[in-house]
Amino acid sequence: EVQLVESGGGLVQPGGSLRLSCAASGFTFSSYAMNWVRQAPGKGLEWVSYISTTSSTIYYADYVKGRFTISRDNAKNSLYLQMDSLRDEDTAVYYCARPTGGAVAGLDYWGQGTLVTVSS
Amino acid sequence: EVVLTQSPATLSLSPGERATLSCRASQSIRSYLAWYQQKPGQAPRLLIYDASNRATGIPARFSGSGSGTDFTLTISSLEPEDFAVYYCHQRSDWPPITFGQGTRLEIK
Repeated sequence: EVQLVESGGGLVQPGGSLRLSCAASGFTFSSYAMNWVRQAPGKGLEWVSYISTTSSTIYYADYVKGRFTISRDNAKNSLYLQMDSLRDEDTAVYYCARPTGGAVAGLDYWGQGTLVTVSS
Repeated sequence: EVVLTQSPATLSLSPGERATLSCRASQSIRSYLAWYQQKPGQAPRLLIYDASNRATGIPARFSGSGSGTDFTLTISSLEPEDFAVYYCHQRSDWPPITFGQGTRLEIK
């Protein structure tokens, strides 16, 4: 069974840092690119970042570029999101999501999400 | 950046009725569109990928159609568990990957 389990969320002051983790199991993690997607309270879905299988290709949304860093450790079946210089508007549930194999558009497995609250 | 506009914002229907949800892209995205269902407190669930392919385990009452700029998610006969928020998502011209703002399907 495919599972994605996020951790690392919590309350942090503006300007602070957090590191999110996503533990993957039930599939060959190293064969899939991965994404982070977030959702502010009561709002819609917002893509954050993408990383390819070997970490050779990485993309960020403009609103996190220069502040967030995505990475992965295929030996540990884990995905990470280092979040620095956090702002109030970064408050959201953060999901890791796996693309559908063989498809272009579709994220077929999502974690349960981890809540990040940026507040003084 | 491709902007996805979903309509209507809210759709009020009764169980057994047919639901038609729309997603319009600001430029052609070929067939690279997906649809998700999200219920309160849950992660999104993939329904349709690449415009018209049902994801694993998705009931046949869900279908997707369209290409280019206009896409439709149809639920042929609404079940009580179908009342939720639905999002479309494109990965044609990216980055960035973009999502629509959502359509809330509520019980009439």
